[in-house]
Order: sequence, then C-alpha cells, then structure tokens
Amino acid sequence: DGGITQSPKYLFRKEGQNVTLSCEQNLNHDAMYWYRQDPGQGLRLIYYSQIVNDFQKGDIAEGYSVSREKKESFPLTVTSAQKNPTAFYLCASSPDRGGQETQYFGPGTRLLVL
Amino acid sequence: AQKITQTQPGMFVQEKEAVTLDCTYDTSDQSYGLFWYKQPSSGEMIFLIYQGSYDEQNATEGRYSLNFQKARKSANLVISASQLGDSAMYFCAMREENAGGTSYGKLTFGQGTILTVHP
Repeated sequence: DGGITQSPKYLFRKEGQNVTLSCEQNLNHDAMYWYRQDPGQGLRLIYYSQIVNDFQKGDIAEGYSVSREKKESFPLTVTSAQKNPTAFYLCASSPDRGGQETQYFGPGTRLLVL
Repeated sequence: AQKITQTQPGMFVQEKEAVTLDCTYDTSDQSYGLFWYKQPSSGEMIFLIYQGSYDEQNATEGRYSLNFQKARKSANLVISASQLGDSAMYFCAMREENAGGTSYGKLTFGQGTILTVHP
C-alpha cells in the first residue's frame, strides 16, 4: 500500500546530540513537509520541499536541518542548537497540484530529551 | 500572512447529535483552500473535508459538512449524528493557492478543538 512512513516512533535525545528523523513516501508526491506539534497545540511548519535538491524554511526552522536528495525521502535533523526539541514531529507529502489535493501525513515521531 | 483561529478549546456533544466546530481565518489572498483534519489520540492526522475559496457550494463528505461564509471569513465544521469514535482533536487549516490551481502547498493550522462525544 502507498503511504508515508516515519521512524522511529519514539526517539530520545541527550544534551548536545544531533538526531535524525526519517520520513519516506511511496506516493510519488513532489512536495514534502515537516511539522512540529507541541502538546495541545496546532502544527507549525519547520521545513518544506517542493522538488528534489531544493527546500525552504518554514516558520520555525531554527535548530533544524533537512535534505532532499531523493524524491521519496525527506529526513529531518534536530541539531543541538534546538534548545527545546521535545515535541511530536509529523511529516507530510502532497502532489502539490492544488485544488482538493490534501497533504497526507505520516504516523509521527515523538522526540524526548533525556 | 495567514492566520487560523479556533476559539473553542473543547466541545462536548451527546452521541447522535450534531455539533459545530468554529474556525475563522484571516488572509489577503484571493485564492485559498480550507481544510479540516481529525487527530485521534494516536496522533495521526486524518483529512476530513476541503473547501476552495471559489467554490460556491458548501463542501460535504458523508457526516461532515463545511459551513463556508466567505464574507465573514469563517469555515465551520458540522458533524452530524456524532459517534463515540468522533472524539478527537480537530484542526482547521488554510493553504494559499494561485488562481491557476497550483498550490504553494504550505498549510497554516489553528490551535485545534478537542471534541468529546458522550454516550
């Protein structure tokens, strides 16, 4: 079945450590996105990419980095510069054709700081 | 800049009754799309319904309908015949779109409303 996979489901980070969250999609979508969700809050856009080898900062990009070397993959690295990384991270993709085409979301990764 | 406001932190409804979840938005764009998503406790985001800014009729999808009032910049979600499985967090979101239909893709989300359905 086509869909979006995120791994791991839970991730623990130590102080000063960089960690990478995986996001893979087999929907052949052009655009991919990373969102952060804090408890009881809405989603905020971290980074997005509309084409391979190109990506743009979202509203809260500081302390994060991404790459888009393949259409199917859009990993997110949470760097040590992100001082409050504990959150739920959601990856999404879309065919980016507008209209009723929605974004499809992965199951998410919960990041906790030790 | 786009902004979505959901003023109801929590709502309660009796099973089999209808409930309206409020959403107002602010944008200077002429062309945009409005979405509603459901997020159960598992965390997944489930797409419910879409309304384009140029759509003259309110969108409907099964038990979900979107009460779109463009002049008031509101896009309320109506859930008819509530079920226990409807208990979840609900998010309203907006996406800017150009007139040709090509999406810029980015979604702006509201803070969400927690819906609890009582038996």
